[in-house]
Amino acid sequence: SQTIHQWPATLVQPVGSPLSLECTVEGTSNPNLYWYRQAAGRGLQLLFYSVGIGQISSEVPQNLSASRPQDRQFILSSKKLLLSDSGFYLCAWRGAAGINSPLHFGNGTRLTVT
Amino acid sequence: QKEVEQNSGPLSVPEGAIASLNCTYSDRGSQSFFWYRQYSGKSPELIMSIYSNGDKEDGRFTAQLNKASQYVSLLIRDSQPSDSATYLCAVIFNGGSQGNLIFGKGTKLSVKP
Repeated sequence: SQTIHQWPATLVQPVGSPLSLECTVEGTSNPNLYWYRQAAGRGLQLLFYSVGIGQISSEVPQNLSASRPQDRQFILSSKKLLLSDSGFYLCAWRGAAGINSPLHFGNGTRLTVT
Repeated sequence: QKEVEQNSGPLSVPEGAIASLNCTYSDRGSQSFFWYRQYSGKSPELIMSIYSNGDKEDGRFTAQLNKASQYVSLLIRDSQPSDSATYLCAVIFNGGSQGNLIFGKGTKLSVKP
């Protein structure tokens, strides 16, 4: 069966520090991968998605970036965090069932920027 | 503008009652609809998918879709305290890039013992 791993689970970082969040998927190949953010009192916001290695699409311009160095690995990064980057970051995947199938989420990383 | 609207709640129902959660969306051509449950501090988990007009039942959960009215709902029968969570409606909009899900802000459900 397919599983998705995200780490770390929680993170407290000062303003201006770098960020790296990692997500890996097991049990499937060539998944579509997604990064969402859920800020306090707000809905889930799509940040990035990837349909293959090295292929990244950004939905919202900001100081975050994403990379997909391997088929089942998706990384979210920032060179300098802002207070507004605080939130619950969720990685999700969709397999071969097609683009109308649901997404499945990892356990998330709760980021607090101080 | 792609929008998914939900009443934020909280919706409070007594244990054993039917909870009714509603969602409207802005694009009449949308084809794929999902309900997720999110417990406090946890990630969303998929409850139901629905693609055709009408009802779809899975255990205590029934999803209802009316594309003409751009409306999708979730009924929870015999509500239990363990059903207390935020319920997220998600839609894949017609022509949306790579089937990206657009989420509503969620309805918080509280089931009282």
